[in-house]
Amino acid sequence: DGGITQSPKYLFRKEGQNVTLSCEQNLNHDAMYWYRQDPGQGLRLIYYSQIVNDFQKGDIAEGYSVSREKKESFPLTVTSAQKNPTAFYLCASSSTLDLYEQYFGPGTRLTVT
Amino acid sequence: GQQLNQSPQSMFIQEGEDVSMNCTSSSIFNTWLWYKQDPGEGPVLLIALYKAGELTSNGRLTAQFGITRKDSFLNISASIPSDVGIYFCAGQLENAGNMLTFGGGTRLMVKP
Repeated sequence: DGGITQSPKYLFRKEGQNVTLSCEQNLNHDAMYWYRQDPGQGLRLIYYSQIVNDFQKGDIAEGYSVSREKKESFPLTVTSAQKNPTAFYLCASSSTLDLYEQYFGPGTRLTVT
Repeated sequence: GQQLNQSPQSMFIQEGEDVSMNCTSSSIFNTWLWYKQDPGEGPVLLIALYKAGELTSNGRLTAQFGITRKDSFLNISASIPSDVGIYFCAGQLENAGNMLTFGGGTRLMVKP
C-alpha cells in the first residue's frame, strides 16, 4: 500500500528538549511538506522540500529544522527554541505531475510540558 | 496572515439536509482544493479544481471554482452521519509556487 506514515502518533517531551518527528512516504513524490495545526485553526506551513538535499522555510519556520537526505524521508526537529511546540504536526507530499494535490499523513500530536 | 476566509466556521444539521460552505479571498488563486479531516487524523483530499468556473463532483460532494478566481464553494447533498468532520479549503495563490494557503475550516456536525 502506498502512503505517508508518521510516527509516533503521540509524543510527549519535557520543555527544553529537542524532538524529531518522522515522516516517510512510498508514493515516489518529490515534494514534501510539514504543517502545524493548532486547535480550531487551519494548517500553517513550517518547511517544505521540492527535491532531495533542498528545503525552504515556510511561514512559521522559527524553532524548527528539517533535513531531506532521502526522497522518501523528511524528518522535522522541534527545537527548544520553539516557544509553543505543543501542536498537531502534519506531513504531506505531492508529485511533480500534480504539484498542488498534497496528500497528508495521519499526524503526530506533540505535547511539551 | 491567513488570506482565505472560510465560512461558516461550524454547522449543525439534520441528517439528509444539504450543506454549503465557501472560501473567499481578496487574492486570485490558480487552484482550489477541498479536504476533509476526521478528529486526530490527517486531511483527506476530496476535490481539486483547476479552472475558473469549473464544477466537479465526487459522489455527493460538488465543488466549484469561482469565476473571479477569488472564491470556491463546496456542497454536500443528503448529508449522512459519516460526513461529520472538519472541511478545509486550500488554494494555490497566483505567483506563490506550489505552496497552498488553507482556510480556517468548517466543522460539520450531523444529527441522525
